[in-house]
Amino acid sequence: EPEVTQTPSHQVTQMGQEVILRCVPISNHLYFYWYRQILGQKVEFLVSFYNNEISEKSEIFDDQFSVERPDGSNFTLKIRSTKLEDSAMYFCASGYLGVSTEAFFGQGTRLTVV
Amino acid sequence: DAKTTQPTSMDCAEGRAANLPCNHSTISGNEYVYWYRQIHSQGPQYIIHGLKNNETNEMASLIITEDRKSSTLILPHATLRDTAVYYCIVRVATQAGTALIFGKGTTLSVSS
Repeated sequence: EPEVTQTPSHQVTQMGQEVILRCVPISNHLYFYWYRQILGQKVEFLVSFYNNEISEKSEIFDDQFSVERPDGSNFTLKIRSTKLEDSAMYFCASGYLGVSTEAFFGQGTRLTVV
Repeated sequence: DAKTTQPTSMDCAEGRAANLPCNHSTISGNEYVYWYRQIHSQGPQYIIHGLKNNETNEMASLIITEDRKSSTLILPHATLRDTAVYYCIVRVATQAGTALIFGKGTTLSVSS
């Protein structure tokens, strides 16, 4: 069964460093999303991406965040200058074309900023 | 903020049906009801969704009231592996992949 793949599963970074989280969406999907979940809190929407541009973003997704689909298979989330409060699980999701389609989530990358 | 209201927690005995309620009294005509679950800190898992008709798949059944102001997710024979946080989400259906907005969900505990 096809699945969304995220790498790495766990990343530790120094405060102020840049990190790139990587995702390989399901191959025929056209919508891509990033979510995060701070430990013990709810899953929060960050950004959605369609047709090579951001289609929707939340207040959390400020100038330190960016997304890119550098080739036909990868979807990345870059955090330019990490802060302690960026420590969280980051989930990538993808969905296929159509009305009312569901999104499928990866298993997440645990980001720890020290 | 999420547009749904769910109980914080529920218990269910293994082998029995788990009925998880959700209120969405302000739902619009073009909004679907989606159910996801999250086991430990894994990625949310899609369960089922519907607009106004009842839906059933291999995982669960979704019962939506006629006025669409509430719904119930039914796990017909709960197992220990169904212990998870269950999220009821309303979402506008568009071509642009509208974001799923998660609330706090219902923590379902299945015990033997």
